[in-house]
Amino acid sequence: AAGVIQSPRHLIKEKRETATLKCYPIPRHDTVYWYQQGPGQDPQFLISFYEKMQSDKGSIPDRFSAQQFSDYHSELNMSSLELGDSALYFCASSPRPAPGEKLFFGSGTQLSVL
Amino acid sequence: AQKITQTQPGMFVQEKEAVTLDCTYDTSDQSYGLFWYKQPSSGEMIFLIYQGSYDEQNATEGRYSLNFQKARKSANLVISASQLGDSAMYFCAMRGNTNAGKSTFGDGTTLTVKP
Repeated sequence: AAGVIQSPRHLIKEKRETATLKCYPIPRHDTVYWYQQGPGQDPQFLISFYEKMQSDKGSIPDRFSAQQFSDYHSELNMSSLELGDSALYFCASSPRPAPGEKLFFGSGTQLSVL
Repeated sequence: AQKITQTQPGMFVQEKEAVTLDCTYDTSDQSYGLFWYKQPSSGEMIFLIYQGSYDEQNATEGRYSLNFQKARKSANLVISASQLGDSAMYFCAMRGNTNAGKSTFGDGTTLTVKP
């Protein structure tokens, strides 16, 4: 079965650089979520999209932006990277944003900012 | 606002025994879902089990069951017949109908299964 695909798996950047993370949801999943997980921490919700519109917004820094495209894939753009941005970034998808919908997670992108 | 509390940072269990991982939650939503996810050391997040707020019966999925006590706002995960491969971080999460576009996670419990 198709799963959520994230690219790249690993990314190394230097401070003040920019990074773009990509997420391809499961086919027919209209909702995409982005989470940031620091070492030893729980996933922190950043932002979600449903039908290409922002659905909910969490603790996403102003330096970050995201969007969902017409083919439902999503990109998280991160600018002016800081050391504290080093984390595992998960993308997840579900058919729709509803209380009963479980999240299908991708394998994550490990971002290291040096 | 939603909040998930997992009070056990770490738990140990002997192989083949059962273990309960605690989770309490707080929400003002009438309709909500409760989830447990497993995160092995490899990093991926794996869905384990779901309980809806209006479900009258406790959810079960193979060796996993969810002890749902709505009045106490608790949703404990019970793993029966623990296996070495169950060693991982376990997260309790919830999503409500007012902010259905996000899931809130607890701090997680690290489970170690001893041979």
